Amino acid sequence: DIKMTQSPSSMYASLGERVTITCKASQDINSYLSWFQQKPGKSPKTLIYRANRLVDGVPSRFSGSGSGQDYSLTISSLEYEDMGIYYCLQYDEFPPTFGGGTKLEIK
Amino acid sequence: EVQLVESGGGLVQPGGSLKLSCAASGFTFSSYGMSWVRQTPDKRLELVATINSNGGSTYYPDSVKGRFTISRDNAKNTLYLQMSSLKSEDTAMYYCARDITTFAYWGQGTLVTVSA
Repeated sequence: DIKMTQSPSSMYASLGERVTITCKASQDINSYLSWFQQKPGKSPKTLIYRANRLVDGVPSRFSGSGSGQDYSLTISSLEYEDMGIYYCLQYDEFPPTFGGGTKLEIK
Repeated sequence: EVQLVESGGGLVQPGGSLKLSCAASGFTFSSYGMSWVRQTPDKRLELVATINSNGGSTYYPDSVKGRFTISRDNAKNTLYLQMSSLKSEDTAMYYCARDITTFAYWGQGTLVTVSA
């Protein structure tokens, strides 16, 4: 199975700050990567698919980039409602596998 | 609107069994593969079972193979997960998700606690 290494595992950031979370795959995943956001007490919600395609309704401050083995999720200007846990998921090769998650807290 | 509603979780003793259900609506259930994904207490996400649209193909990771069985009833728009020989490490929130790769939609989850 493809291993997804996500970093950092947790972080504090200030409102308005630019935040970047990264995921590294154990092999090339051809941009078949999604990012999920999980708010406290809720189920995960897809933010980005195919590495850089924003799901309808997701704020434009979220963006994804990357290729090959290395991918990142960026929040251009952190808002309070962005607090939660973020996960990457590769679906290039079955079975799909998740990163370990990044807990984002407001400083 | 896509809706997935899980039920059937609860407290069970080690070695016991439990059957989870997921009622689907808002899409053509019989056209999609479906999955069960669990979130452990340390917040890791783990795929535990997938099933294709007609129920003819399933997948289980080694951690649950031989103990968990995924099934579906397309006439009732319902997905199931039969869990047996439960272990403490199966304690988790169990989510059903639409499709077997991108997990575009998730239910609200049902909590399974395995403890004596």
